[in-house]
Amino acid sequence: QKEVEQNSGPLSVPEGAIASLNCTYSDRGSQSFFWYRQYSGKSPELIMFIYSNGDKEDGRFTAQLNKASQYVSLLIRDSQPSDSATYLCAVNNAGGTSYGKLTFGQGTILTVHP
Amino acid sequence: NAGVMQNPRHLVRRRGQEARLRCSPMKGHSHVYWYRQLPEEGLKFMVYLQKENIIDESGMPKERFSAEFPKEGPSILRIQQVVRGDSAAYFCASSRSESTDTQYFGPGTRLTVL
Repeated sequence: QKEVEQNSGPLSVPEGAIASLNCTYSDRGSQSFFWYRQYSGKSPELIMFIYSNGDKEDGRFTAQLNKASQYVSLLIRDSQPSDSATYLCAVNNAGGTSYGKLTFGQGTILTVHP
Repeated sequence: NAGVMQNPRHLVRRRGQEARLRCSPMKGHSHVYWYRQLPEEGLKFMVYLQKENIIDESGMPKERFSAEFPKEGPSILRIQQVVRGDSAAYFCASSRSESTDTQYFGPGTRLTVL
């Protein structure tokens, strides 16, 4: 079982729709969770982080965390073509470390079509 | 406010040569992480360093790879006797503290081994 799993996609949504990206993790000791966006040929860009169960909203983005189900998701409202990218889920403390070593999922490719 | 800086951005080496990749963390950040992204694969942790100390090198290949973060100057990832399989994007990330603090990525160095 992979430590962090994401649906590789590609996920295709029309402009203006809600895009839903999902991620599961295997280590119950994981403490913090991150979503990065990566455009082709570029470096990962931090979108959001979440530490506590529940929802966290930032503009058009909402991260949801359910530690009991070991599940974290990212919702993108009013999707724009500029949101088309690979979205990486990352988990801290996978494997029992206390520092910021991140374990990444494979990424989900999102395409927003006009 | 400069972000994480990496150089060179692109590096071409022939098999058997040495590659040196440099990373300057964000101002005020003393924690550096190196990640590797192989073609069509996800980001993988390589090594975590603080000034003058290697904290975790569990993701580094045992041979040919080394990393340092001296008291003065950038962090350096060194790959000796490169092989074609070393061709990848190498990203450096930095954070202010060691715990759950967010990491910010540099633009990466794309290494091509001929």
